[in-house]
Amino acid sequence: GAVVSQHPSWVICKSGTSVKIECRSLDFQATTMFWYRQFPKQSLMLMATSNEGSKATYEQGVEKDKFLINHASLTLSTLTVTSAHPEDSSFYICSADERASSYNEQFFGPGTRLTVL
Amino acid sequence: GDSVTQMEGPVTLSEEAFLTINCTYTATGYPSLFWYVQYPGEGLQLLLKATKADDKGSNKGFEATYRKETTSFHLEKGSVQVSDSAVYFCALSDRQGAQKLVFGQGTRLTINP
Repeated sequence: GAVVSQHPSWVICKSGTSVKIECRSLDFQATTMFWYRQFPKQSLMLMATSNEGSKATYEQGVEKDKFLINHASLTLSTLTVTSAHPEDSSFYICSADERASSYNEQFFGPGTRLTVL
Repeated sequence: GDSVTQMEGPVTLSEEAFLTINCTYTATGYPSLFWYVQYPGEGLQLLLKATKADDKGSNKGFEATYRKETTSFHLEKGSVQVSDSAVYFCALSDRQGAQKLVFGQGTRLTINP
């Protein structure tokens, strides 16, 4: 099956620094990638949708200047949390939409746990 | 906007028990419905899906039927195993546009031997 990887799997950083998270589709091309945020014992909340070669579409309430998304190729999207603060600590999950699928099924990465001190 | 409501967990059952996890939705139009499972330390995996009313999705002994009249998509399994312990998410997708998924809050299931 289609595999999506994320790197790093966990990261700890100091307040005020920036952190980049990579999301890769390993064996397929992804038309669209999605970034989610999951708080403990809560559901996934969609942050943004990114299409290769174009600007990401952010959900209401998500600061696009804080959560920078780049989707430079059909297999890689990155999320950069700029000037991170403790309230940004969360579990970030990406998914990729397989281009060749007739249904456009989403495949999820294993997530990245960010802790901001 | 669209939303999904799942029964609150956690749910704890004994092995071989019957499982039902309720899921209801609110949506405009005709969404597709999904159940995703998240095993400890792993990413979400699609468990099953249904794309139109009265469709039944099934996989690994789990089943769910798309009920438009009750706006429900309840997950069932006749005999659970310890390996079914995981968090289960009900979700819907508006089939227009970018296929964004809207998730329920998740139900943590623990199966005891």
